[in-house]
Parts: sequence; C-alpha cells; structure tokens
Amino acid sequence: AAGVIQSPRHLIKEKRETATLKCYPIPRHDTVYWYQQGPGQDPQFLISFYEKMQSDKGSIPDRFSAQQFSDYHSELNMSSLELGDSALYFCASSVWPGGYTGELFFGEGSRLTVL
Amino acid sequence: KQEVTQIPAALSVPEGENLVLNCSFTDSAIYNLQWFRQDPGKGLTSLLLIQSSQREQTSGRLNASLDKSSGRSTLYIAASQPGDSATYLCAVRPPGNQFYFGTGTSLTVIP
Repeated sequence: AAGVIQSPRHLIKEKRETATLKCYPIPRHDTVYWYQQGPGQDPQFLISFYEKMQSDKGSIPDRFSAQQFSDYHSELNMSSLELGDSALYFCASSVWPGGYTGELFFGEGSRLTVL
Repeated sequence: KQEVTQIPAALSVPEGENLVLNCSFTDSAIYNLQWFRQDPGKGLTSLLLIQSSQREQTSGRLNASLDKSSGRSTLYIAASQPGDSATYLCAVRPPGNQFYFGTGTSLTVIP
C-alpha cells in the first residue's frame, strides 16, 4: 500500500541557508501535518493543512513557512537556518474523520543537519 | 488544551515478560487514540487505533484498551521480544484535525 513519501531523507545545510522539505501524502488523504523531532524528544507539531488551506498552527518559527499544493503534496520551507533547527522532520497524513477512522500515517522523515 | 502523559518514561524487562505501557489524557472528548512505535532515527509506525466508541483493539501480541471517561489507555505487550525494543508513543485526536502526543515510553527488552 502507498505510504507517506518524504524527500529528501537527509539534508545538510550551513547556518543562515535555506532548506525545503517535500511531502507526498497517501492518496485521497486530505490533511497533511508537519512535525519536528529533536534528539530524545517527542514530535512537536508545526503546522497542518486541510484541503490546501492551513488548518492548525503549532510551534512553527516565523522563519519557516509551508503550503499544500493542488495535488495535495506539501512543502516546508525553512530560511535563515540555525543550529537548533537540526532535527528529524516528519510529515503525516490523515483523512478528516466522519465516516473514516481518522488514522494518522507518518513518513520516514527528513533528517536536517545544520552546520 | 489536551495534555497527554505516558508512564513510565523508560522500561527495561527480560525477554518473555508481559508488560503494560500507560497513557493518560486530560480531556475525555476524543475522536480516537492511536499507539505508535518509533525505532531510533526512524518514522512512527502505527500499531493500533482505538475509536472513542471502542474499548480495546488487538493485533498479534499487542492489546490496547481505552477508558475514555477516566482518560486512560494501556498498551499490553505479551511475551516481549528483543525486537520490541523501541519508543512507544500514544496520540490522542480530539474532534477535528489536531493530534496530541505523549512523551513516549522507551522500552528495552533484554535477551
């Protein structure tokens, strides 16, 4: 079965550079979530999109932005990178509940290292 | 705001033991609760999903229960194996599109 696809899997950037992460949700999933997970921490919610519109906003820094496109894939853009941005970034997708289980599925993550 | 707590934070057991992981949440108005497994540096794998109307779900050696009124869920792992070593997270979904994660339980099964 198709899963959530993230790219790139690994990314190394210098401080103050820009990075873009991509996420392709499971087909027919209408909601995409972005999470950040630092070493030894639980996933921290950044932002989510439902039907291409931002639906919830978590602890996403102002230096980050995201959007969901017409084909439902999403991109997380990170600018002015800082050392503290080094983390695993997960994308997850789900279907708005109401006749569905509302189960959440995660991608394998993109590991960002800022030097 | 929903708060999710998992106890214990870490657990080490000898192979073959049965064990219970706990998850508690502060707001009982949930749509579902999901248990995940995460191996180091990897993504989260969904183990079990319990809808708010259900009391338990089973998959192989795993059994998850839900007591919505008391804000608790347990994940029971029978006959633990070294391959079960991982971090286990629970996530609660209120009505709507948000998910709230617990802090996880790090499990080590000793051969």
